Amino acid sequence: DAEITQSPRHKITETGRQVTLACHQTWNHNNMFWYRQDLGHGLRLIHYSYGVQDTNKGEVSDGYSVSRSNTEDLPLTLESAASSQTSVYFCASSYREAGELFFGEGSRLTVL
Amino acid sequence: AQKVTQAQTEISVVEKEDVTLDCVYETRDTTYYLFWYKQPPSGELVFLIRRNSFDEQNEISGRYSWNFQKSTSSFNFTITASQVVDSAVYFCALSLSSNTGKLIFGQGTTLQVKP
Repeated sequence: DAEITQSPRHKITETGRQVTLACHQTWNHNNMFWYRQDLGHGLRLIHYSYGVQDTNKGEVSDGYSVSRSNTEDLPLTLESAASSQTSVYFCASSYREAGELFFGEGSRLTVL
Repeated sequence: AQKVTQAQTEISVVEKEDVTLDCVYETRDTTYYLFWYKQPPSGELVFLIRRNSFDEQNEISGRYSWNFQKSTSSFNFTITASQVVDSAVYFCALSLSSNTGKLIFGQGTTLQVKP
């Protein structure tokens, strides 16, 4: 079955370290998204991509970057982790404009 | 600007009660899409419904129903005869046709159904 997977599911890191969260989907969707979930804020868009070599900034992109070298993967990198980036991160993909998003299971990141 | 507001932060009901989760959205676009997602305690996000702005018909799926009213910019979600398994965080979201799939989420409503 097609799916979207995130790794790691849980990570603890220290302030200032570089962290990469992986996202892999097997639906062959062009559109991929990264959201963070924080209490009281719902889900906020970090970065998104509409296809290979395409990346765009979302609402809360400062301190994050993504790259899209193939259709299946959209890794999210925190260049220098900060405590404010402690959150649950969700990757998602969709196959059409304004279609429903298919979410990964989430990655819980703690920055100490 | 586009915005989704879920004014109810937490709702607690007793099993078998009906409960309505409110969602109010803001957009100047005439074409848009509204969604509801469920996030159970296990943490995954489960798609419930997608509705486009041209279809104001109410939708019913089992114990779930949705009331879309453009006049009040609302897309409310009702659970009839609630069950403990309905306990979850529910998110309403808005997508504009021009945004190619980007969803703007509300803050979420935590529903607790007590036995």
